[in-house]
Amino acid sequence: DAEITQSPRHKITETGRQVTLACHQTWNHNNMFWYRQDLGHGLRLIHYSYGVQDTNKGEVSDGYSVSRSNTEDLPLTLESAASSQTSVYFCASSEYSGNAGELFFGEGSRLTVL
Amino acid sequence: GQNIDQPTEMTATEGAIVQINCTYQTSGFNGLFWYQQHAGEAPTFLSYNVLDGLEEKGRFSSFLSRSKGYSYLLLKELQMKDSASYLCAVRDDKIIFGKGTRLHILP
Repeated sequence: DAEITQSPRHKITETGRQVTLACHQTWNHNNMFWYRQDLGHGLRLIHYSYGVQDTNKGEVSDGYSVSRSNTEDLPLTLESAASSQTSVYFCASSEYSGNAGELFFGEGSRLTVL
Repeated sequence: GQNIDQPTEMTATEGAIVQINCTYQTSGFNGLFWYQQHAGEAPTFLSYNVLDGLEEKGRFSSFLSRSKGYSYLLLKELQMKDSASYLCAVRDDKIIFGKGTRLHILP
């Protein structure tokens, strides 16, 4: 079965370190998204991609970067982790078909920055 | 700008009906989604509306009025397992979420 997986599921790091969260999907979807979810803020869009070599900034992109070198993967990098980036991160993918691009979510990655 | 509003919390009784409202103001519109999210889990798709009117799917229905920037999710015959957060999301060229409504079901 097609799926979308995130790794690591849990990560503790220190302020200033570089962190990369991996996202891999086997749906062959062109569209991939990274969201963060915090209490009181809901899901906020960080970056998104509509295909290989395409990346776009979302609502809260400062301090984050992504790259899309193939269809399956959209890694999210925190260049210099800050305590404000402690959050649960969700990767999602979609395709414009069927339910007009419903999002399929990974299980989430919980990041703690100390 | 983009703004999606929904109530923060609601409480209802098992077996009853509850309506969760969502209002939106976005620069573009290509459809509205409702997602369900249980605590500690990823969101899962419930419904999608792009045209005005009511879409029914079992115990869940979703309504859209594009002219009013308004949608609601109607849950019938509530069950304890419906205790979750319900997320309203709008697609323009990307999908933006509201803050979610936490629904508590009382026995």
